[in-house]
Amino acid sequence: ILNVEQSPQSLHVQEGDSTNFTCSFPSSNFYALHWYRWETAKSPEALFVMTLNGDEKKKGRISATLNTKEGYSYLYIKGSQPEDSATYLCAFYPLIQGAQKLVFGQGTRLTINP
Amino acid sequence: GAGVSQTPSNKVTEKGKYVELRCDPISGHTALYWYRQSLGQGPEFLIYFQGTGAADDSGLPNDRFFAVRPEGSVSTLKIQRTERGDSAVYLCASSFRGGAGYEQYFGPGTRLTVT
Repeated sequence: ILNVEQSPQSLHVQEGDSTNFTCSFPSSNFYALHWYRWETAKSPEALFVMTLNGDEKKKGRISATLNTKEGYSYLYIKGSQPEDSATYLCAFYPLIQGAQKLVFGQGTRLTINP
Repeated sequence: GAGVSQTPSNKVTEKGKYVELRCDPISGHTALYWYRQSLGQGPEFLIYFQGTGAADDSGLPNDRFFAVRPEGSVSTLKIQRTERGDSAVYLCASSFRGGAGYEQYFGPGTRLTVT
């Protein structure tokens, strides 16, 4: 069974503060790790696709790191803004013959308090 | 350009009825995915199409669920003899190609409620 865990499940952060949360995934059969942001009443939107151990990616105030050997990824948000309020989903793409799918975690629901 | 669209946005049906959910992917995207999201959970993979063929249908929960993509563009997810447990948001996504390295572009979802 491929299990992807995200923590915390929900998070309240004051505007201007920085925050981070975790995605844990199987360290074997790793192929890729995706991060998506899902705002209420909108479609999930891709943030990062990461494939290499030690990868660090950045988009504006959001960045992510990847450790495939120990099976975790961190997402960081610097200087949180109200528009960062969303559910952040990570998804693991396993290297398994015949499988062509993302396995999602349950998400971290982030609320930025003005 | 236009994103992924899904119709209807909401569907309420009675237990035992048949429903069809439609997905229009981004033009030129060869890969198309269906997911189902239940309350408090992340999206759960159902099926992946590469072109017209289902390359991985391992996520379909049982034989009441079926999906087609006859011309390699629009896809329809079909659910027969709906059950209350089928109530969920059904998401469609497309990507330029299939595979781990390509980000997926999601539609807004169809919220299915089975009464």
